[in-house]
Amino acid sequence: KAGVTQTPRYLIKTRGQQVTLSCSPISGHRSVSWYQQTPGQGLQFLFEYFSETQRNKGNFPGRFSGRQFSNSRSEMNVSTLELGDSALYLCASSLEDSDTQYFGPGTRLTVL
Amino acid sequence: GESVGLHLPTLSVQEGDNSIINCAYSNSASDYFIWYKQESGKGPQFIIDIRSNMDKRQGQRVTVLLNKTVKHLSLQIAATQPGDSAVYFCAENNGSGYALNFGKGTSLLVTP
Repeated sequence: KAGVTQTPRYLIKTRGQQVTLSCSPISGHRSVSWYQQTPGQGLQFLFEYFSETQRNKGNFPGRFSGRQFSNSRSEMNVSTLELGDSALYLCASSLEDSDTQYFGPGTRLTVL
Repeated sequence: GESVGLHLPTLSVQEGDNSIINCAYSNSASDYFIWYKQESGKGPQFIIDIRSNMDKRQGQRVTVLLNKTVKHLSLQIAATQPGDSAVYFCAENNGSGYALNFGKGTSLLVTP
């Protein structure tokens, strides 16, 4: 079974721009979570989606948003990019009734 | 606020020795804990998990111990191999749904 896939793998943007990242979960997994990983803050939870609904949200500003499609694929969007948004953005998927999350390789976002 | 923390940022062991990576948590509502391994350029890889109704769980070469009295979690790796060199994270379900709260990570270096 294929793992979690994320596209693109690398992205360079400038301040003020917006970006959309994509995540395809493991087949059969309906829950998708997003995390931001930085050297200073570590791994921080952004939000989680299940059946196209956001069930949980972390402490990030409204510039960070996401959505989930009927096929469980998910996207996250960051608007008005800031230098501090440079990070590895990780997507994880899990089965409906499981806590175990399986991660993708991440999207490395660099904001210049 | 409540958080998951790691006792040691780096750990160096010789090939063939056993490794022990420790983690402290403070959220008494946490009922599920996971250990992840992250190699450079990759997303976190699931290693082993444990629920709060258990105090020990074994996998292939790995054992997780949970001490709820002192809110402590440890990962033991038997016969450590060079391929075990990576950053190890403990994570907890923070009791508020489907978000994982991660520790800062311990870098494990295996020397020949």
